Amino acid sequence: DTEVTQTPKHLVMGMTNKKSLKCEQHMGHRAMYWYKQKAKKPPELMFVYSYEKLSINESVPSRFSPECPNSSLLNLHLHALQPEDSALYLCASSQDIPGTSGRGAYEQYFGPGTRLTVT
Amino acid sequence: GESVGLHLPTLSVQEGDNSIINCAYSNSASDYFIWYKQESGKGPQFIIDIRSNMDKRQGQRVTVLLNKTVKHLSLQIAATQPGDSAVYFCADLTGTASKLTFGTGTRLQVTL
Repeated sequence: DTEVTQTPKHLVMGMTNKKSLKCEQHMGHRAMYWYKQKAKKPPELMFVYSYEKLSINESVPSRFSPECPNSSLLNLHLHALQPEDSALYLCASSQDIPGTSGRGAYEQYFGPGTRLTVT
Repeated sequence: GESVGLHLPTLSVQEGDNSIINCAYSNSASDYFIWYKQESGKGPQFIIDIRSNMDKRQGQRVTVLLNKTVKHLSLQIAATQPGDSAVYFCADLTGTASKLTFGTGTRLQVTL
């Protein structure tokens, strides 16, 4: 199984709502990532989890709150978002985080993303 | 990578021809590079990678060339097919960092 799944596929939420994005992988990967991608732009890293611990937070506003309940699951909790937060949110996983293992450990497998619209 | 506005660079190639997609990187300490393909409505898909101690690596129908002197990376696709139509991103990594940095992307359009 080389698949990363994300739910929901699409999400529309108001600025006062609280919602969560979910990501799951069963490849035994120990690193998981959240990216944000605006239209016609490359993915931008938001968070990195390594062995279920947050290792990188790219100065993401606190209205985005990541959670890693176990090694297969990664959540992104959303609260009080702004319209400019509308984007495709991508989850990815890799065997390990870059810089810690040999060749092949860095390949990141991406999920299909959640298309988020904030109204 | 740095964005260059709302328009992706676009490469149009006729089916059956070879495609060459280029990428410049800025960090001379980068030591690992990956090419990703992103089709409409999907997440990026790994294509091929290369370490800085190599200057060429081949896969199935794809070749990545690395020129560290001018900090340039290219992806060559042989016998381009309609299914190759997508946005292609290069990404680089330094050993001391723990994140990939993506380039701006190039849209490949395959014409019949």
